[in-house]
Amino acid sequence: AQSVTQPDIHITVSEGASLELRCNYSYGATPYLFWYVQSPGQGLQLLLKYFSGDTLVQGIKGFEAEFKRSQSSFNLRKPSVHWSDAAEYFCAVGGFGNEKLTFGTGTRLTIIP
Amino acid sequence: GAGVSQSPSNKVTEKGKDVELRCDPISGHTALYWYRQSLGQGLEFLIYFQGNSAPDKSGLPSDRFSAERTGGSVSTLTIQRTQQEDSAVYLCASSSPQDRFYEQYFGPGTRLTVT
Repeated sequence: AQSVTQPDIHITVSEGASLELRCNYSYGATPYLFWYVQSPGQGLQLLLKYFSGDTLVQGIKGFEAEFKRSQSSFNLRKPSVHWSDAAEYFCAVGGFGNEKLTFGTGTRLTIIP
Repeated sequence: GAGVSQSPSNKVTEKGKDVELRCDPISGHTALYWYRQSLGQGLEFLIYFQGNSAPDKSGLPSDRFSAERTGGSVSTLTIQRTQQEDSAVYLCASSSPQDRFYEQYFGPGTRLTVT
């Protein structure tokens, strides 16, 4: 069975500081990995995705993520956060021929001045 | 173009009543998904429609939940005899047949409160 673990329920970061959100997955084949962001009262927006190739993927809003197969991880990073990055972040896994995504429970990001 | 739309945005209902939630996918998207987002539980897959194929209902939590998709477009999620544990945000997403990587576009959700 596939699963996603986001070990950090809530993270607080100062504006301008760097950010790393953790994601670990379990999947029996080559995974497709996604990070979504959900702002208050909004639907989910795709930040970035990984399917194959370069293990460091760039996304929107200055985010990047690195796929590490040996660690079953797909951590999200940003060098310098902005107050507008405050939101809930979800990691998800799927695969070829498997359209159903399995989501983690999310990490809520708070930005302090 | 227009994104995925859902209605109503909020629904308050009494325990035991039936509710219908609607989803309008992006035009041309043949795949449609329903998820449930409960507090602290992340997103839970409910049901998946792809074109004219039989839907994947493996995520529906009980037989009180059902969904249909008319004309390959609009979908309705129906919850019968609602219970308080059904309170959640119900999210709909759609994806394009041209997108082999199944990028899903989400609607804003319907917040259901069962009193």
